[in-house]
Amino acid sequence: QKEVEQNSGPLSVPEGAIASLNCTYSDRGSQSFFWYRQYSGKSPELIMSIYSNGDKEDGRFTAQLNKASQYVSLLIRDSQPSDSATYLCAVNFPGYSSASKIIFGSGTRLSIRP
Amino acid sequence: GAGVSQSPSNKVTEKGKDVELRCDPISGHTALYWYRQSLGQGLEFLIYFQGNSAPDKSGLPSDRFSAERTGGSVSTLTIQRTQQEDSAVYLCASTSLGWGREQYFGPGTRLTVT
Repeated sequence: QKEVEQNSGPLSVPEGAIASLNCTYSDRGSQSFFWYRQYSGKSPELIMSIYSNGDKEDGRFTAQLNKASQYVSLLIRDSQPSDSATYLCAVNFPGYSSASKIIFGSGTRLSIRP
Repeated sequence: GAGVSQSPSNKVTEKGKDVELRCDPISGHTALYWYRQSLGQGLEFLIYFQGNSAPDKSGLPSDRFSAERTGGSVSTLTIQRTQQEDSAVYLCASTSLGWGREQYFGPGTRLTVT
């Protein structure tokens, strides 16, 4: 069973602090990992992708991948009220007898309080 | 370049009627996904087309739902004999078959069944 797990939240973080979002996945062979942000009433928007173990930084966002622990996280530094949204973790599961497939977690709702 | 487009943006229909929802993927993207998202809920996978392979229909909730993809590009999701529980936002996403497989979403079609 291919699964991507996230805490649903809500996660409440004070403005200016670091928000930490976590995700675990079931297939050790997965190679591609993504974080999406979804504002209420909008479609998901890709904000980070990561393929190798370690950290990948883009502005205030850092994605962290640990394939041995099957764990991927997203850190948001200097959190702003505009970061309040639902964050979706997605994993590309390899195909063996079938094509590979992207699976989404259920999302973590993040609220940045002023 | 142009992103994923969907039409109509909103559809109101009477219970029992059939509806067709359209998705135009990003040019050159060979994989296409349909999702459904009810208010306040996560993404529900419906169907996945990848290249010329048989589609993965494992997420379709009933035989009232069907989808096709003509010429490897435009896709149509058809819901027959609509029910009130079909009311949701229907999202389409496309991805290339390159290594990264980043998925990009359209703006969605909001379906309301009265």
